[in-house]
Amino acid sequence: KNQVEQSPQSLIILEGKNCTLQCNYTVSPFSNLRWYKQDTGRGPVSLTIMTFSENTKSNGRYTATLDADTKQSSLHITASQLSDSASYICVVSALTGNYQLIWGAGTKLIIKP
Amino acid sequence: GAGVSQSPSNKVTEKGKDVELRCDPISGHTALYWYRQSLGQGLEFLIYFQGNSAPDKSGLPSDRFSAERTGGSVSTLTIQRTQQEDSAVYLCASSLTPDQPQHFGDGTRLSIL
Repeated sequence: KNQVEQSPQSLIILEGKNCTLQCNYTVSPFSNLRWYKQDTGRGPVSLTIMTFSENTKSNGRYTATLDADTKQSSLHITASQLSDSASYICVVSALTGNYQLIWGAGTKLIIKP
Repeated sequence: GAGVSQSPSNKVTEKGKDVELRCDPISGHTALYWYRQSLGQGLEFLIYFQGNSAPDKSGLPSDRFSAERTGGSVSTLTIQRTQQEDSAVYLCASSLTPDQPQHFGDGTRLSIL
């Protein structure tokens, strides 16, 4: 069964600290992996999208990694800011006829001053 | 506008009434998705339109839910005989092609009294 699991479920860190969010998936055949940021009351916004051949992709202070062998991805946030408080969602696309997207439940990140 | 637009932003209605939710995707985007998100929960896939292909309705929770996309652009999600468990935020997203990141609207917050 295609699944995406994220950990931790929630995380609280102090402003300025770094953190890493995890995503494990069992999706086959794999097409790509996406990270989204969802602020409270808003729709998700795309951070990165990675294909099978990409190991790392950065977007400002956000760096995503992908290990297609172990089927794991991480999202690293450097020098966190209060505006980073949000839910971070991992989504894996299956290479099926209709590009099925499997959504993780998200990690709720809270940055405290 | 430049982004995905959804209307209304909020809808309060009585149990048993029908509701229509509207989504204006980004111009030129061939793929359009509807999701539902209950408070504090992850996104639940409802339906997916791709070009002129038959929509993927596999996520619709019951036959009270239906959606159409006219002229490959605007989409309407209809819920008939609403129930209290239908209360949620309904999110629409579009993408240029299915393998590209999705762009989300800010959703319609539906409350069933």
